[in-house]
Amino acid sequence: EDQVTQSPEALRLQEGESSSLNCSYTVSGLRGLFWYRQDPGKGPEFLFTLYSAGEEKEKERLKATLTKKESFLHITAPKPEDSATYLCAVQSYSGSARQLTFGSGTQLTVLP
Amino acid sequence: NAGVTQTPKFQVLKTGQSMTLQCAQDMNHEYMSWYRQDPGMGLRLIHYSVGAGITDQGEVPNGYNVSRSTTEDFPLRLLSAAPSQTSVYFCASSYDGGDYGYTFGSGTRLTVV
Repeated sequence: EDQVTQSPEALRLQEGESSSLNCSYTVSGLRGLFWYRQDPGKGPEFLFTLYSAGEEKEKERLKATLTKKESFLHITAPKPEDSATYLCAVQSYSGSARQLTFGSGTQLTVLP
Repeated sequence: NAGVTQTPKFQVLKTGQSMTLQCAQDMNHEYMSWYRQDPGMGLRLIHYSVGAGITDQGEVPNGYNVSRSTTEDFPLRLLSAAPSQTSVYFCASSYDGGDYGYTFGSGTRLTVV
């Protein structure tokens, strides 16, 4: 059974204070690891897909990295508009056809 | 381009009532899924479809039915509502099963009293 654990559950940062969010996963045959952003009252919004250990992807102040056991979402010099819940999800070759298993998320608050 | 449209946005049901949550997408996506989101538990897969006429169960299917008669529509039916089904429900769709990300609707907040 695929499992995803995200830490910390909540993170408060001052504007400009860089940090990282962690996503640890257990999966039998990783097809892809996904990061989503979710704002209050809205559906998740796709950020990145990572496929193999060592891969990195960037978007504005966000950079996602992947190892064989975990993924990190690095936030550089965050702004208040980066405040959201960040969700990690995995997709396995053995799981339901291309469906996602999600972690419970990290709620990020960036203070001005 | 409307993306994924879910209706209603809010609903209150009495225990034992039935209802259908609607989901429609206009992107010609083959993959569609229903999730529920509960505090501290993340998104959990209820049912999914990989094309018209094809559906399958996810992690938490009990008490829910789905059908996929067209590519565009993927309704979720609650057969006999229970308080444990109080949750936020999200529909999602994808062209290729996720490489370019699933597109999510804005959700339906359901309360069963």
